[in-house]
Amino acid sequence: DAKTTQPNSMESNEEEPVHLPCNHSTISGTDYIHWYRQLPSQGPEYVIHGLTSNVNNRMASLAIAEDRKSSTLILHRATLRDAAVYYCILRDRLGGNTPLVFGKGTRLSVIA
Amino acid sequence: GAVVSQHPSRVICKSGTSVKIECRSLDFQATTMFWYRQFPKQSLMLMATSNEGSKATYEQGVEKDKFLINHASLTLSTLTVTSAHPEDSSFYICSASDFSGTSGYNEQFFGPGTRLTVL
Repeated sequence: DAKTTQPNSMESNEEEPVHLPCNHSTISGTDYIHWYRQLPSQGPEYVIHGLTSNVNNRMASLAIAEDRKSSTLILHRATLRDAAVYYCILRDRLGGNTPLVFGKGTRLSVIA
Repeated sequence: GAVVSQHPSRVICKSGTSVKIECRSLDFQATTMFWYRQFPKQSLMLMATSNEGSKATYEQGVEKDKFLINHASLTLSTLTVTSAHPEDSSFYICSASDFSGTSGYNEQFFGPGTRLTVL
């Protein structure tokens, strides 16, 4: 799977939007862009994924650049419960049962 | 979404003993399960891929005789840490792949993790 690059940490004020960037310049045409997050002492939790078009769900929005070399996870109103490590992961949709490979992610701190 | 459980959630054992961790997919059948390990302040590291009814595939550097994996059914995989030592203390996380027949895409769902402390 292609590599992703994320900032080590970010900080946000509560109830403000948060934009978490991810660069994936070597993405292939069949790679899905996944976002997972991990709260302290818990397993990773699925947030959102997409291929080419922007995606919205109840948790977040995913904005994908036109050339697909970068993407941004958008939390519309950060809460204290959103403090977690956010992982941007590429996974080939043709990869069958290949596992998700985690990078270092971005540690998001939310300030009250 | 699909639910994956792990048991126990935390375990403390003495050095030299063996510890078994269970991973269950509660509402779907998982032909493939994955085991990860996570040390403090680090990311998840894949240890092995477990396929139902066959031998697990271990990542480079992971001792297969120390970390025994059994995937006897479509809903249960177990990881046994044999002769545990303090350096095996870690957060062990399993995940299960849910094959979606319509899209053909295998989503991966994670358990809550098991914190192992070896004294």
